[in-house]
Amino acid sequence: AQKVTQAQTEISVVEKEDVTLDCVYETRDTTYYLFWYKQPPSGELVFLIRRNSFDEQNEISGRYSWNFQKSTSSFNFTITASQVVDSAVYFCALSEAGGGADGLTFGKGTHLIIQP
Amino acid sequence: DVKVTQSSRYLVKRTGEKVFLECVQDMDHENMFWYRQDPGLGLRLIYFSYDVKMKEKGDIPEGYSVSREKKERFSLILESASTNQTSMYLCASRAQGPAKNIQYFGAGTRLSVL
Repeated sequence: AQKVTQAQTEISVVEKEDVTLDCVYETRDTTYYLFWYKQPPSGELVFLIRRNSFDEQNEISGRYSWNFQKSTSSFNFTITASQVVDSAVYFCALSEAGGGADGLTFGKGTHLIIQP
Repeated sequence: DVKVTQSSRYLVKRTGEKVFLECVQDMDHENMFWYRQDPGLGLRLIYFSYDVKMKEKGDIPEGYSVSREKKERFSLILESASTNQTSMYLCASRAQGPAKNIQYFGAGTRLSVL
């Protein structure tokens, strides 16, 4: 069975600090996809990134970066120079790669609070 | 941009009522999903559909049913609402195929059952 663990329930930092959100996953599949979503107070989940299991390159998008390490089954998310607008709940998720209609397996989320 | 629209942001119902939550997507996606979100539990899959009139149970289908009569619309039905179904409900859609497996979500419906 698939499982996603986000051990940090809540993180609070002061604006402009860097912050890393941890994500550890379990799967028996050799091919799979990992995702990060952001849920601001408005409630809608916003897609941030998708990574497949064969692509271990780290990715950077502006202040956001992702570190995928298959050896430790981790897919961590770092926000550099955090801003108040980054305050949200962040979810890591996993899906098999078959392309079928199976849903995502989500972690329980990390509530990130950026204080001004 | 993909648009997933849930008909209500907030609903208040009474125990025993039949409740319909509606979801519409405008991207001609084959697959649609219903999740519920609870504090400390994250998102859990209730039902999904991979085609019109097709449905599959997710992880927590008890007390729920679904309907997909048209490709763009996926309804979640609470046959007899109970207080433990008070929750945030999120609908999602995605295209078919591994290269297109990003799920896009609606804004959610916060349901209170009194």
